Amino acid sequence: GAGVSQSPRYKVAKRGQDVALRCDPISGHVSLFWYQQALGQGPEFLTYFQNEAQLDKSGLPSDRFFAERPEGSVSTLKIQRTQQEDSAVYLCASSFAGTRSLPGPQHFGDGTRLSIL
Amino acid sequence: TQLLEQSPQFLSIQEGENLTVYCNSSSVFSSLQWYRQEPGEGPVLLVTVVTGGEVKKLKRLTFQFGDARKDSSLHITAAQPGDTGLYLCAGTRGKTSYDKVIFGPGTSLSVIP
Repeated sequence: GAGVSQSPRYKVAKRGQDVALRCDPISGHVSLFWYQQALGQGPEFLTYFQNEAQLDKSGLPSDRFFAERPEGSVSTLKIQRTQQEDSAVYLCASSFAGTRSLPGPQHFGDGTRLSIL
Repeated sequence: TQLLEQSPQFLSIQEGENLTVYCNSSSVFSSLQWYRQEPGEGPVLLVTVVTGGEVKKLKRLTFQFGDARKDSSLHITAAQPGDTGLYLCAGTRGKTSYDKVIFGPGTSLSVIP
C-alpha cells in the first residue's frame, strides 16, 4: 500500500538482547518521526529526521537507543541491551515538510509492539 | 508532568448521546491537532487548528481551538459505535516547518450500541 509500513509488527526479545525496528515511510516524505507509546498513554517523541539528517534526538531515553536513516528513506530504530522498561509500541510517522506556520500532517504506521521478557 | 492534559481519561456512553472531550495546557501552541487511534493501529489525523477561536467541523465532530491557543475541545454529536477509540490531542509550539509534536495522554471513548 501507499502508507507507512513498519516491521516487524510484533517483537519478543529477552532482556539484554539487541533489537532493530524498521520503518518504510510514504515515498517522497521528507520528515520522519519515531515515537514510543506505553499502554494507555499517548505517543512520546523519540527522534526526528529531515531526509537523512537526524535533527532532533532529544527524546531518546538513553544511549542504548539509536536511529538512522542513511539514504533519507527507510529508517531503523535500534535498541541495544534491551530492558523490561523498553516494552512498548514503537510508532513511526512521516510527513512532507510543511510550511513555516503549519506542520505537514503526520501519517503513522501501525507500530511495532515490543515485549522484553 | 504532562504538557498537554486531556479529560476525561475514559468515557463510556450509549449510542446517540453527545459528548465533549477536552485538551488543556498552560502553554501556548501554534497549532493543535486531534487524532483518533484504534487498537493495534497508528493514530489517524482528524483535524489541525491553528487560529485562536477557530472552529472546524468534520461531519458529527466539532473541534474548537481556545482563544488563547492553550486549549481545545472535541464535541461529538449523536455518537456511534464507530466513534470508539483513543482520541489524542497533539500540539506544536514553534513557527518553523519542523516542530516537535507533543501528544496528550488521550481520552479513551467507548460507544455502546
